Amino acid sequence: QKEVEQDPGPLSVPEGAIVSLNCTYSNSAFQYFMWYRQYSRKGPELLMYTYSSGNKEDGRFTAQVDKSSKYISLFIRDSQPSDSATYLCAMTPLNDYKLSFGAGTTVTVRA
Amino acid sequence: NAGVTQTPKFQVLKTGQSMTLQCAQDMNHNSMYWYRQDPGMGLRLIYYSASEGTTDKGEVPNGYNVSRLNKREFSLRLESAAPSQTSVYFCASSNGLGDIQYFGAGTRLSVL
Repeated sequence: QKEVEQDPGPLSVPEGAIVSLNCTYSNSAFQYFMWYRQYSRKGPELLMYTYSSGNKEDGRFTAQVDKSSKYISLFIRDSQPSDSATYLCAMTPLNDYKLSFGAGTTVTVRA
Repeated sequence: NAGVTQTPKFQVLKTGQSMTLQCAQDMNHNSMYWYRQDPGMGLRLIYYSASEGTTDKGEVPNGYNVSRLNKREFSLRLESAAPSQTSVYFCASSNGLGDIQYFGAGTRLSVL
C-alpha cells in the first residue's frame, strides 16, 4: 500500500464548478501538507502549504487537513479553464527532508 | 528570478550511453533533490542532498549517481542508460526540514 493515495482521475468539470480533490495517507507523523499544481510539460509549482490540521484559504483555493482521519482536501471555487492541470498532494513529517507525493489528479475545466 | 534551472531540457540516448543532468538554484537553499516522474507513478525521489557535502539515496536510486558540487549545484549522472530510465527528471531545492520544495522545469529523457 502506498503511503499517500490520490485518485488519479481524470476529472472534467464545466467552468464555474467547484473542484474537489483529496488525498489519504497512512503515516501519522506527517505534519506539513502541500498542494502542487503542474501544467502539461512543466514543473510542479506550490499552490498551498499548511501545517497540521485546519483550513487555509487563498483566493479561490481552500486547503483542508483532517489529521484524525488522515485526509486532506483541496477545493477550487469558480473553476476556470486556466485551472486545467494535474494537482499533486505532498506531505512530510517535522523531522524529514523528503516529501511523500500522491500520484496526482488531472483536472480539465471545460469552457 | 531564475529559481531552479535544469539543463538540458530534452535528451535522447542510446542504451549504454552515459550522461549528466545539471541543476542549479539561486535561492541559497541548503537542500536539493532529484526526482523522476512516470505516468501513473507520481514523483519518485532518486537522491537528495540535505546540505552541501552530503547525499542520500531516495526511493529509486539504482542506476544513478549524484554529486553536490557546491551549495548551488546538484548533478545526476546515468552511467549506462537503460530504456527503463526513460522519464521526466525534476530537480528541486528547499531550505531544509519540512520545507517547501521548489522545482525546475524538468528534463525529458528518452533512452532507445
